[in-house]
Amino acid sequence: NAGVTQTPKFRVLKTGQSMTLLCAQDMNHEYMYWYRQDPGMGLRLIHYSVGEGTTAKGEVPDGYNVSRLKKQNFLLGLESAAPSQTSVYFCASSYGSGGTYNEQFFGPGTRLTVL
Amino acid sequence: AQSVSQHNHHVILSEAASLELGCNYSYGGTVNLFWYVQYPGQHLQLLLKYFSGDPLVKGIKGFEAEFIKSKFSFNLRKPSVQWSDTAEYFCAVIPTGGGNKLTFGTGTQLKVEL
Repeated sequence: NAGVTQTPKFRVLKTGQSMTLLCAQDMNHEYMYWYRQDPGMGLRLIHYSVGEGTTAKGEVPDGYNVSRLKKQNFLLGLESAAPSQTSVYFCASSYGSGGTYNEQFFGPGTRLTVL
Repeated sequence: AQSVSQHNHHVILSEAASLELGCNYSYGGTVNLFWYVQYPGQHLQLLLKYFSGDPLVKGIKGFEAEFIKSKFSFNLRKPSVQWSDTAEYFCAVIPTGGGNKLTFGTGTQLKVEL
């Protein structure tokens, strides 16, 4: 099992450009999440999905959109990148919610720089 | 909503010293607790987790943590650190009922000197 994978690993964008980050998991997890990690702030939840075709906003959703067309994939889109979106982005997945299903498995991260 | 506090932002230790990193959470109900480690340039790895039962949890690489419900704490410990333990450590909490709200602390940067 590859677990949770993310594409790309690194990306540099100019302000106003758009891009999509891809997250894939092969553990048949129902729930998937996108976080951003910034120095001194830990990880903050951007958006999440509780199943194929569903998405919901997290703590810091502004400037991002997501889609979950297939159970194994969770896409994070930036329509018009801003320097404030320079960050490391982590995807995670879990079986579900509650008890041991709460454990989330993380991908390797995507380092995004917006100039 | 729950919150997590990691009071030690930067810790510097010599090899073989003992380690204790503080983690306190704020939430009115029962919780699951996690410690993650992030080595330089790498992704998050799970060190240990608490769901229920014995409040003393043992994880990988000699780490352990004790859940003290009365103190809302889940401190991470290791009796003797190694240079390879240099990393950033994150405590995280989620209500037992789930709700998709895994909340992270701001992290503790540990540097172990030879």
